[in-house]
Amino acid sequence: NAGVTQTPKFRVLKTGQSMTLLCAQDMNHEYMYWYRQDPGMGLRLIHYSVGEGTTAKGEVPDGYNVSRLKKQNFLLGLESAAPSQTSVYFCASSYSRTGTGELFFGEGSRLTVL
Amino acid sequence: AQKVTQAQTEISVVEKEDVTLDCVYETRDTTYYLFWYKQPPSGELVFLIRRNSFDEQNEISGRYSWNFQKSTSSFNFTITASQVVDSAVYFCALSEADTGGFKTIFGAGTRLFVKA
Repeated sequence: NAGVTQTPKFRVLKTGQSMTLLCAQDMNHEYMYWYRQDPGMGLRLIHYSVGEGTTAKGEVPDGYNVSRLKKQNFLLGLESAAPSQTSVYFCASSYSRTGTGELFFGEGSRLTVL
Repeated sequence: AQKVTQAQTEISVVEKEDVTLDCVYETRDTTYYLFWYKQPPSGELVFLIRRNSFDEQNEISGRYSWNFQKSTSSFNFTITASQVVDSAVYFCALSEADTGGFKTIFGAGTRLFVKA
């Protein structure tokens, strides 16, 4: 039982390049989230999804896009990376159908934009 | 809008001291959920506790205890007889209804150093 798996774990990009972070969960959870973690700012919600085919904006959605084509996968895309997007990205999922349960996190993906 | 404030950025204690981590939240909803998570130096995020807005009972789990007070919008976390293994960043979080569903927002975290 892998839980929540994020790929890649590390990536270095040049400004303007694009990339996609993949989050996969094998727990049949409805809710999935993408957060970014920056020093002194905690975890900030980028986008989230309440189920397959649905997405919603979080606190800091600009510069990111997401898709939830399959229930088990939640993709985070950066179309044109900027240095301000250098961060550690965490994906999470929740078993609760109402989104009120605790979150299960992946190990994080460290992204550096030069 | 929802907001979670953890005013203590860093706390340093000596082993066996008690320590309280503060969390103050803002919400206009009557139904919401509060959480604490721990992030040890290894980086993973570990769930500690969940509380709903209708349950103000305090909870104790071993050396950990939580004090939920709706009157002051606070959900504080106390570690009794701290140990070096408690050194971590602790996050308070709030989940409430949003247009897209329930979303969970985190505070900035409190870094706890426990010295031997």
